[in-house]
Amino acid sequence: GAGVSQSPSNKVTEKGKDVELRCDPISGHTALYWYRQRLGQGLEFLIYFQGNSAPDKSGLPSDRFSAERTGESVSTLTIQRTQQEDSAVYLCASSSAGGEVYNEQFFGPGTRLTVL
Amino acid sequence: AQSVTQLGSHVSVSEGALVLLRCNYSSSVPPYLFWYVQYPNQGLQLLLKYTSAATLVKGINGFEAEFKKSETSFHLTKPSAHMSDAAEYFCAVSDRSTGKLIFGQGTTLQVKP
Repeated sequence: GAGVSQSPSNKVTEKGKDVELRCDPISGHTALYWYRQRLGQGLEFLIYFQGNSAPDKSGLPSDRFSAERTGESVSTLTIQRTQQEDSAVYLCASSSAGGEVYNEQFFGPGTRLTVL
Repeated sequence: AQSVTQLGSHVSVSEGALVLLRCNYSSSVPPYLFWYVQYPNQGLQLLLKYTSAATLVKGINGFEAEFKKSETSFHLTKPSAHMSDAAEYFCAVSDRSTGKLIFGQGTTLQVKP
């Protein structure tokens, strides 16, 4: 079946512009995660959705970052007034459930964001 | 708080040699531990996971890892490296309440002919 998809695959924007990144999880997966991978660094957790609620937003770096999710479907990560330090690959992952019971997270290919 | 440390940001081995990628974790609760691989220009793929069953875990592509509680380690090994193993490898621990993954900094594996 289809895996996690993300769009766009690449985004180049100018400093100060807003960007929206989209994630389509695997159908039926209730848990959705956003991570960020900056050049030469590991992956940083940003936000976790269970259904359309976000019980853990602790990784969002600033109030310029926000995310929403429609039901158990698409999620959008929005970055307002982009800064050069926002340049990174943004990865989305989904799993059949979050929380105590482990379920494998399946990752999308990522969106490479470049802020000029 | 949970954390993961990967020793060595870059490891180089010859084809056919042993691969050893080191990972140490910190967790106040019994951890779920993972190794992911990221091939160039591709997404992350799960290699193997430890979820408190057998301490020696076998994964895909001939990789395995051993959970050692006394050493708080979860090192990844493969007896004989192949050129196709060249990639970046990430060790991660799972937050038990949300399932979010806390990753190490990653280790780039280079395999020389």
